[in-house]
Amino acid sequence: SQTIHQWPATLVQPVGSPLSLECTVEGTSNPNLYWYRQAAGRGLQLLFYSVGIGQISSEVPQNLSASRPQDRQFILSSKKLLLSDSGFYLCAWSVRDPGTQYFGPGTRLLVL
Amino acid sequence: ELKVEQNPLFLSMQEGKNYTIYCNYSTTSDRLYWYRQDPGKSLESLFVLLSNGAVKQEGRLMASLDTKARLSTLHITAAVHDLSATYFCAVDSMRFGAGTRLTVKP
Repeated sequence: SQTIHQWPATLVQPVGSPLSLECTVEGTSNPNLYWYRQAAGRGLQLLFYSVGIGQISSEVPQNLSASRPQDRQFILSSKKLLLSDSGFYLCAWSVRDPGTQYFGPGTRLLVL
Repeated sequence: ELKVEQNPLFLSMQEGKNYTIYCNYSTTSDRLYWYRQDPGKSLESLFVLLSNGAVKQEGRLMASLDTKARLSTLHITAAVHDLSATYFCAVDSMRFGAGTRLTVKP
């Protein structure tokens, strides 16, 4: 069966510090991968999606970036965090696009 | 740009009552997804609707899709407290509505 992992689960970072969130998927090959951000009490904002290694599509211009160094690994990064980067970050995978997405447990980020 | 609108955004209902959540979208699509999110948790898939007129049911929830009207509904029958959660619809897999926060009160 397929599983998706995200870490860390919770992160508190100062403004201006770097960020690296990791997401890995097990039990499937060549998944589509997605990063979303959810502000408190709000909907999901698509940040990045990837259909293969090294292929990243960005949805929203901002100080975040994403990379896919391996087939089942998706990394979200920032060089300098802003207060507005606080939120709940969710990674998801799907077999194809469009298709049902399967979400990871999420990372709760608080930037102070 | 594809827009996905859900209403209501907040819904408080009593146990045993029926209600419907609406999901409207702005461009042609024949795939519509419903997800559930419990407080502080991630999202889990509820239904996938793949064609016009599709209807799916599980327990007290029933989802339907009208691609001509660009409308999907999630109907709740005889609500129970365990259904309290936020429900999201999504179009074309990646475009989510703002969510409907449902609270079922005894």
